[in-house]
Amino acid sequence: DSGVTQTPKHLITATGQRVTLRCSPRSGDLSVYWYQQSLDQGLQFLIQYYNGEERAKGNILERFSAQQFPDLHSELNLSSLELGDSALYFCASSVGDLLQETQYFGPGTRLLVL
Amino acid sequence: AQTVTQSQPEMSVQEAETVTLSCTYDTSESDYYLFWYKQPPSRQMILVIRQEAYKQQNATENRFSVNFQKAAKSFSLKISDSQLGDAAMYFCAYRRDDKIIFGKGTRLHILP
Repeated sequence: DSGVTQTPKHLITATGQRVTLRCSPRSGDLSVYWYQQSLDQGLQFLIQYYNGEERAKGNILERFSAQQFPDLHSELNLSSLELGDSALYFCASSVGDLLQETQYFGPGTRLLVL
Repeated sequence: AQTVTQSQPEMSVQEAETVTLSCTYDTSESDYYLFWYKQPPSRQMILVIRQEAYKQQNATENRFSVNFQKAAKSFSLKISDSQLGDAAMYFCAYRRDDKIIFGKGTRLHILP
């Protein structure tokens, strides 16, 4: 158990809908990362927040957004969902914002868009 | 653009034997970090080992060690005394600033 929690574990929704994925980092960790893992694209970095501020941006679509709250939990919002958004979404956390930080991954949220 | 390549989609090793997983990457940077992650059937991502590019010494964590060849841009993972619990997908990853890039993974099977 990495100490990172994600809810829900599974989510089934329809195209065009909007969903919110939630992540609670390890106690004391200030950075939260979001990743998407799909069969065709592999594991893709989406976005990183550090202490409430956006720190790094990867291959995140404009239909997706995220935020980190004062209690350091984070939410990933996915809107206008398409079939291709079906994937496993991981959250990871680390203590700080330095390049050498080790990231601890949560168990993931499996999203199925029908 | 940076890329990470794992050329072995699947590998098998006999229990208690040693196996090496390959990873090559492409970057023009001199400072960066490399990681190996393990993803067991539970789908959780577990950090196995980390290497700082500025360090010449290869990282080691118990039965796991890396062979980091900076000039060749190679970062292989060696697992000694393989155990059944080592069966998983293994991902090689590169990070510098905003760039966090993962390889496609190598599925490792452990034969009893």
